Amino acid sequence: AQSVTQLGSHVSVSEGALVLLRCNYSSSVPPYLFWYVQYPNQGLQLLLKYTSAATLVKGINGFEAEFKKSETSFHLTKPSAHMSDAAEYFCAVSSDTGRRALTFGSGTRLQVQP
Amino acid sequence: DGGITQSPKYLFRKEGQNVTLSCEQNLNHDAMYWYRQDPGQGLRLIYYSQIVNDFQKGDIAEGYSVSREKKESFPLTVTSAQKNPTAFYLCASRDQTGFPYEQYFGPGTRLTVT
Repeated sequence: AQSVTQLGSHVSVSEGALVLLRCNYSSSVPPYLFWYVQYPNQGLQLLLKYTSAATLVKGINGFEAEFKKSETSFHLTKPSAHMSDAAEYFCAVSSDTGRRALTFGSGTRLQVQP
Repeated sequence: DGGITQSPKYLFRKEGQNVTLSCEQNLNHDAMYWYRQDPGQGLRLIYYSQIVNDFQKGDIAEGYSVSREKKESFPLTVTSAQKNPTAFYLCASRDQTGFPYEQYFGPGTRLTVT
């Protein structure tokens, strides 16, 4: 069965510093991968998705993620953190069952210090 | 604007009462999903429906029920049999003809049962 592991439930960076949020997945079939962002008491908003067209995926708000098949990873990065990036981030992998659903990681809360 | 509406945003109930959470979408999506979110656990799938008049149990369906009488609507009932109903509930939908597995989320309903 597919699964997602997000290393680090909390990550804290200074404003202007590099953001790196880690995601490792397991899947028995080529996966579809997603990063979603959630602001407090809100729904999830899609940041980016892996389409297999390119291993480096660019998303909204300056985020990008790199798909590394050999490492089964899909880490999320942003060169320079902004205060408005403070939120919870979820990595998700496609289900390989008939559900056409997503399996989510447990989330990483990003804190940005001034 | 197209989107997903969940109401109410906050809901309070006494233990032993059933409660129904509303989810409406005007995206013309066939598939709809209900997730439960608890701190540090990511999102867990409760029920999903890929077509009107059909729905399937997810990973944590016990104590919940759904209906799908209209394409636009997928209400979730939290019954008194659900042992720990206090949580944040998210509804999502998916376009069967769009990017595989990509889901769109509503703003969520926070249910508190005392």
